[in-house]
Amino acid sequence: QVHLLQSGAEVKKPGASVKVSCKASGYNFPSYYLHWVRQAPGHGLEWVAIINPSGGYTGYAQKWQGRVSMTRDTSTSTVFLELNNLRSEDTAVYYCARGNYYYDYWGQGTPVTVSS
Amino acid sequence: QSVLTQPPAVSAAPGQKVAISCSGISSTNGNNYVSWYQFVPGSAPKLLIYDNNQRPSGIPDRFSGSKSGTSATLVIAGLQTGDEADYYCGTWDNSLTTGGVFGGGTRLTVL
Repeated sequence: QVHLLQSGAEVKKPGASVKVSCKASGYNFPSYYLHWVRQAPGHGLEWVAIINPSGGYTGYAQKWQGRVSMTRDTSTSTVFLELNNLRSEDTAVYYCARGNYYYDYWGQGTPVTVSS
Repeated sequence: QSVLTQPPAVSAAPGQKVAISCSGISSTNGNNYVSWYQFVPGSAPKLLIYDNNQRPSGIPDRFSGSKSGTSATLVIAGLQTGDEADYYCGTWDNSLTTGGVFGGGTRLTVL
């Protein structure tokens, strides 16, 4: 069965970087786009990034461009989200999700806390 | 502020039916299809409805979706206490700098 297993919670200081991972299993990794979606405390869902695991092509929400990077490792069927120059507003749960224009499977979420 | 508009909260008694609305769906740069997701604390989010009204395998027919114009509705019939969750609507903008578009979420309380 399809499973997206995310890395554990992170606590970072402002200005630092964080890299969270999402390991996919149970399906042909190159065949589906993968996304990162976040949920900040008291806020709704916010789309962050997309990757085509086959060619590695990426897209980012405009507000994140220049500060995030989504990559993949096809040998381990894992995608990564790196967020640089962290701010308190980056505190959120980050989810990876599979799909093209809707998300049929989600990871369990990775809480990222940015605090001095 | 979310692009799509949902009521912040709805409530109903077990066994009853509840409808959650989602408005502001634009077809300008997307495929106009709406999906719905259930967020239960401690669990991975779940896809309930895709392509406006299609249920994935394993989702009971108590959950149904519809769309008319720029609005969509998720209906949950025969409410159960286990349905208490946050529900989000979503759609897709083909611009890679916009991507996924979501509502602000609706908290369902089963009284």
